[in-house]
Amino acid sequence: AQSVTQPDIHITVSEGASLELRCNYSYGATPYLFWYVQSPGQGLQLLLKYFSGDTLVQGIKGFEAEFKRSQSSFNLRKPSVHWSDAAEYFCAVGANQAGTALIFGKGTTLSVSS
Amino acid sequence: GAVVSQHPSRVICKSGTSVKIECRSLDFQATTMFWYRQFPKQSLMLMATSNEGSKATYEQGVEKDKFLINHASLTLSTLTVTSAHPEDSSFYICSARDGGMGSYNEQFFGPGTRLTVL
Repeated sequence: AQSVTQPDIHITVSEGASLELRCNYSYGATPYLFWYVQSPGQGLQLLLKYFSGDTLVQGIKGFEAEFKRSQSSFNLRKPSVHWSDAAEYFCAVGANQAGTALIFGKGTTLSVSS
Repeated sequence: GAVVSQHPSRVICKSGTSVKIECRSLDFQATTMFWYRQFPKQSLMLMATSNEGSKATYEQGVEKDKFLINHASLTLSTLTVTSAHPEDSSFYICSARDGGMGSYNEQFFGPGTRLTVL
């Protein structure tokens, strides 16, 4: 079955500390992977995506993610977290096929402490 | 980047009424649009996939007679919640796939519509 697992429901990080949010996927075809961020009551903003090529992808707001095929993972990282990064983060997987929707993980809530 | 809008952003209605939510791709033609539903503190759950000019494909468990989807043009899809009840209260998000971007399945998300049924 196709699925995305985000093992951490809630993470609290001190401002300025590094961050890693985990994402594991199960997908039959070549996966296209995404990380989105959602602030309360808002829509989704794309942070970064992986389609092919370099397995370390850079995104907006200083985020990066690394695709590891052997581990079926696509973890999101940031070297220094800012208070404004507090939000809900969703990992998603999709296919390169017309008409296919994304499959989302359950999300990880990030809190930033001062 | 491509922009997707939703209207209204927030709607409150009485139980038994119908509510229409619009999803528009502003600067590209969306051959496929998706409708998701998100409960508080939950992930996005796909409700249906709509392709321009054809009937929507609904996910298992989604009542197609209750959630009417119309994708009449390449820039507009509508979701109508018919005879809404309090349990339909949720955050509805649409996304659109740019058919002109080659084979990549990149989707662009709207800002969402908060529906509250009293």
